[in-house]
Amino acid sequence: KQEVTQIPAALSVPEGENLVLNCSFTDSAIYNLQWFRQDPGKGLTSLLLIQSSQREQTSGRLNASLDKSSGRSTLYIAASQPGDSATYLCAVFGKAAGNKLTFGGGTRVLVKP
Amino acid sequence: DGGITQSPKYLFRKEGQNVTLSCEQNLNHDAMYWYRQDPGQGLRLIYYSQIVNDFQKGDIAEGYSVSREKKESFPLTVTSAQKNPTAFYLCASSTLQGILDEQYFGPGTRLTVT
Repeated sequence: KQEVTQIPAALSVPEGENLVLNCSFTDSAIYNLQWFRQDPGKGLTSLLLIQSSQREQTSGRLNASLDKSSGRSTLYIAASQPGDSATYLCAVFGKAAGNKLTFGGGTRVLVKP
Repeated sequence: DGGITQSPKYLFRKEGQNVTLSCEQNLNHDAMYWYRQDPGQGLRLIYYSQIVNDFQKGDIAEGYSVSREKKESFPLTVTSAQKNPTAFYLCASSTLQGILDEQYFGPGTRLTVT
């Protein structure tokens, strides 16, 4: 059974600092990994999708890395802004979950002005 | 405007009543999903459907039912058998190439049962 863990559960940083969010998963037989952003009371917005064959993906200030063998992904957000305050969730898609997405519990981020 | 709509945004029901949550997509996606989210927790899969008139149970299907009569629509009924129905419900869709494609999410429906 696939398990996805995100530590820490909450993070507070001053504006301008780089954010580093961690995601770990127990079964490395994944097809892809997605990072999502969720604002309070809202749905999920997809930020980045990394295929199992890729090591990283970039979009603007966001960069996500994937190390399948160690079961880890990291989301980097450069030069954080107060607007980056949200909950960030990672999810893996793979065989262990019956070809469905398995979500981590999320990291709640607060960027202080 | 392409996307997924869920209605209503907030829903209140008395215990013992069935309630149906709406999910519509105009992305021409084959697969649709229902998730439940509880405070401080990740999403858990309730039901999913990959084709019209077919659907499969997810990890927490007990007390829920779905239908998929049209490609665009995947309503979820929360029955009185669901022991703890108060939660935030999210609908998602993707192409059937799930391996390659992203899941897109609707804005969610917050259900409160008292």
